Amino acid sequence: GENVEQHPSTLSVQEGDSAVIKCTYSDSASNYFPWYKQELGKGPQLIIDIRSNVGEKKDQRIAVTLNKTAKHFSLHITETQPEDSAVYFCAAPTGANNLFFGTGTRLTVIP
Amino acid sequence: DAGVIQSPRHEVTEMGQEVTLRCKPISGHDYLFWYRQTMMRGLELLIYFNNNVPIDDSGMPEDRFSAKMPNASFSTLKIQPSEPRDSAVYFCASSFGGKTEAFFGQGTRLTVV
Repeated sequence: GENVEQHPSTLSVQEGDSAVIKCTYSDSASNYFPWYKQELGKGPQLIIDIRSNVGEKKDQRIAVTLNKTAKHFSLHITETQPEDSAVYFCAAPTGANNLFFGTGTRLTVIP
Repeated sequence: DAGVIQSPRHEVTEMGQEVTLRCKPISGHDYLFWYRQTMMRGLELLIYFNNNVPIDDSGMPEDRFSAKMPNASFSTLKIQPSEPRDSAVYFCASSFGGKTEAFFGQGTRLTVV
C-alpha cells in the first residue's frame, strides 16, 4: 500500500518569503497528488493538485512540482502572507480509491 | 450546495456512553469517507463507502466503532461504548470518484471524559 512522508513538521517564515513543503510516496503507480490546507477549527480544503502526466502546476502564489522518478512532490508558496498560516497536508492515492495523507506541516508566517 | 455537513460540531460524553456522529455528503458524490484526526496520529482513514456500500473498514480501530450509510445522503459513525482514547476530531468527506478532490466537513470534536 501507499506510504506518504511529509517534511518538515513545522515551518516558520517571514512574511514575503517563500515556503516549501516536501512529500515522498512509495507506490510508483500513484498518479494523483493533492495538497490540502487546514485552518484552525475547519476541515482540510484542497488548494492545488497535480496528476502524474505533468511535472509542475501553478495557481497564483502556489505551485506544486512532481518528480515521478524520485517519487516526491513539493508545495511551493511564494510571497507568503499571514493568512497562509495553517497546517498543510499532502496526500497520495492508495491502491484502492482513497487518499493516504501525510502527517502535516504547520506553517507560521511571521508578519 | 452547502458542502459536507456534519453534526454535532462538538460532543462531550461520559466514558461508556454511545456516541453517534452524522454526515450529509455533497449531493451527487458517490464516495464518502470517515477520518479521525489526533495530534499523535494525524489524519487516519477509518472507513469509506462507494455508492452507499462499505468498501474498506480496515481503519476502524475496533468493534466498538461502526458506520452505516443507509442512503446516498446520510451516514453515521457510532462508537459504543466510548472511551477517553476516542477523543479526537472526526471528519466526514465526500468525492465524485475515489481518487479525486475530497470535500471535508467541518468535523465533530469528540471529548470522552
